[in-house]
Amino acid sequence: KNQVEQSPQSLIILEGKNCTLQCNYTVSPFSNLRWYKQDTGRGPVSLTIMTFSENTKSNGRYTATLDADTKQSSLHITASQLSDSASYICVVSASRGNYQLIWGAGTKLIIKP
Amino acid sequence: SQTIHQWPATLVQPVGSPLSLECTVEGTSNPNLYWYRQAAGRGLQLLFYSVGIGQISSEVPQNLSASRPQDRQFILSSKKLLLSDSGFYLCAWDTDSYEQYFGPGTRLTVT
Repeated sequence: KNQVEQSPQSLIILEGKNCTLQCNYTVSPFSNLRWYKQDTGRGPVSLTIMTFSENTKSNGRYTATLDADTKQSSLHITASQLSDSASYICVVSASRGNYQLIWGAGTKLIIKP
Repeated sequence: SQTIHQWPATLVQPVGSPLSLECTVEGTSNPNLYWYRQAAGRGLQLLFYSVGIGQISSEVPQNLSASRPQDRQFILSSKKLLLSDSGFYLCAWDTDSYEQYFGPGTRLTVT
């Protein structure tokens, strides 16, 4: 069964600290892996998209890694800001199109001043 | 630039009442359109997607239906709402690339 599992479920850190969110998947076939940021009550916004051949991708203070052999990904946030408080969702695509996306439940990140 | 609109933003409806949620996209032609539902603490669930006018694919059998009367308009409907239909409904679009863009969402509470 295709699944995406994220850990931790929730995380609280102080402003300015770094953190790493984890994603494990069992999706086959594999096309690409994405990380989204979702503010409360809003639609998700794409942070990074990685295909099989990419193992690192950065978007500002966000850096995603992908290990296709172990089927693991991580999202590292550097020098966290209050605006980083949100849910971070890992999504794996089983096809080239967007109609076979397997969504994780997300990690809820809270940044405290 | 492209923009996606959804309305209403919030909706409270009694069980058994009808539903109509609308989504429109501006600034692009022939987009692929999607309806998702997000339950609390759960991942997004794809409900319907459309690759063109009148072309609807259903991913989950339920009492919801979707229509695409115009190129950039996608409507989610129900004749009789159930309590289990409560959730956060998201419309999204793309143009055959990995990048998918989401609307602001509609929070539906069925009472």
